[in-house]
Amino acid sequence: DTAVSQTPKYLVTQMGNDKSIKCEQNLGHDTMYWYKQDSKKFLKIMFSYNNKELIINETVPNRFSPKSPDKAHLNLHINSLELGDSAVYFCASSQSSGIYGYTFGSGTRLTVV
Amino acid sequence: QKEVEQDPGPLSVPEGAIVSLNCTYSNSAFQYFMWYRQYSRKGPELLMYTYSSGNKEDGRFTAQVDKSSKYISLFIRDSQPSDSATYLCAMSGNTGNQFYFGTGTSLTVIP
Repeated sequence: DTAVSQTPKYLVTQMGNDKSIKCEQNLGHDTMYWYKQDSKKFLKIMFSYNNKELIINETVPNRFSPKSPDKAHLNLHINSLELGDSAVYFCASSQSSGIYGYTFGSGTRLTVV
Repeated sequence: QKEVEQDPGPLSVPEGAIVSLNCTYSNSAFQYFMWYRQYSRKGPELLMYTYSSGNKEDGRFTAQVDKSSKYISLFIRDSQPSDSATYLCAMSGNTGNQFYFGTGTSLTVIP
């Protein structure tokens, strides 16, 4: 039973399209995150939600819009996709403060062509 | 300058070797330190977490934090081919809401 599940696993799309990635966790955590991992494996936080409330919103183009319908779900919608958006996007979750670590999903590999 | 610096490697060692992985950081407010292991095409998985300075041991893994030098290490004893992965350090201030990650060190253990 997957703790943090993301769909889809792979996404290939053309520039200019709009796409969504979904994430669900069954760990009972109340904080969820979106991270972007570039080709050099660098993980950078994009957004963080605690109990459906946005608490971290890093410098991310406003083409990226997260939505948390409840504390077990965090989705990411991307408008007008660009080549530079190609990366692996990871969803993660943690107990409130995250000081005991995050549980990551297996990632969504987005390729924009 | 990045918040966290980590040598990307790659690092290649024979089976049974002791591996030392390191990160340095610039923010003296960091209090929580973690090591994650990431296999190819998988998400990072938490290996160890520590608070403030000191050592922590878990099986073949030992994490060390030296806050005075802003330097953390992960030691792997008796390395196994199954340890071949990318190792990411991560650290955060008081709240743990935002962890800053290193770029990861790619490790290969040769049988």
